[in-house]
Amino acid sequence: DAGVIQSPRHEVTEMGQEVTLRCKPISGHDYLFWYRQTMMRGLELLIYFNNNVPIDDSGMPEDRFSAKMPNASFSTLKIQPSEPRDSAVYFCASSLGVGTEQFFGPGTRLTVL
Amino acid sequence: DQQVKQNSPSLSVQEGRISILNCDYTNSMFDYFLWYKKYPAEGPTFLISISSIKDKNEDGRFTVFLNKSAKHLSLHIVPSQPGDSAVYFCAANSVGYTGTASKLTFGTGTRLQVTL
Repeated sequence: DAGVIQSPRHEVTEMGQEVTLRCKPISGHDYLFWYRQTMMRGLELLIYFNNNVPIDDSGMPEDRFSAKMPNASFSTLKIQPSEPRDSAVYFCASSLGVGTEQFFGPGTRLTVL
Repeated sequence: DQQVKQNSPSLSVQEGRISILNCDYTNSMFDYFLWYKKYPAEGPTFLISISSIKDKNEDGRFTVFLNKSAKHLSLHIVPSQPGDSAVYFCAANSVGYTGTASKLTFGTGTRLQVTL
């Protein structure tokens, strides 16, 4: 298996633009997680899905952030409109259980100018 | 409220010596703990874990110690190697009697630099 795949790896955009991050989890994993990594807060869980259903989105910063999982092999995290403070590395991870070992993708480094 | 804390943002250790990374937690419901390692431009990878029914778990050069009364765990790397230079994240969750785990809560990470 190729592991968790994320695209794009780098994204540079201007404030106010819409940004869409993509994730393909490991086949067979039924949990998918979106994290944001910053220096100040480390790895923050934004939202997670179980069997394509959002379970906990309490970490989503505000209404500008939304996430979807239309099927077991694809998820998106959208920021609209983007702001400079959204600049961070966004990770997607998948697992066979919510608290078990999670497998992370390589991340998307987002820069909002 | 940071429920999992790694108070040392960075640590420098000489090759061959022991590296000790520390982690404290505040939620007494946490009963399963994990360490992840992260290299630059890569996602974190699982390193080692420990259940609260144990106070030590060893895997090669890596040992995790858990002190439940102090709500403290530590990762020991012996001997340290230059390839161990990375950011280490501590994570915790609660499984409890139901066997249904909660989501993982991560610390802010400690950057380990192993020097020659």
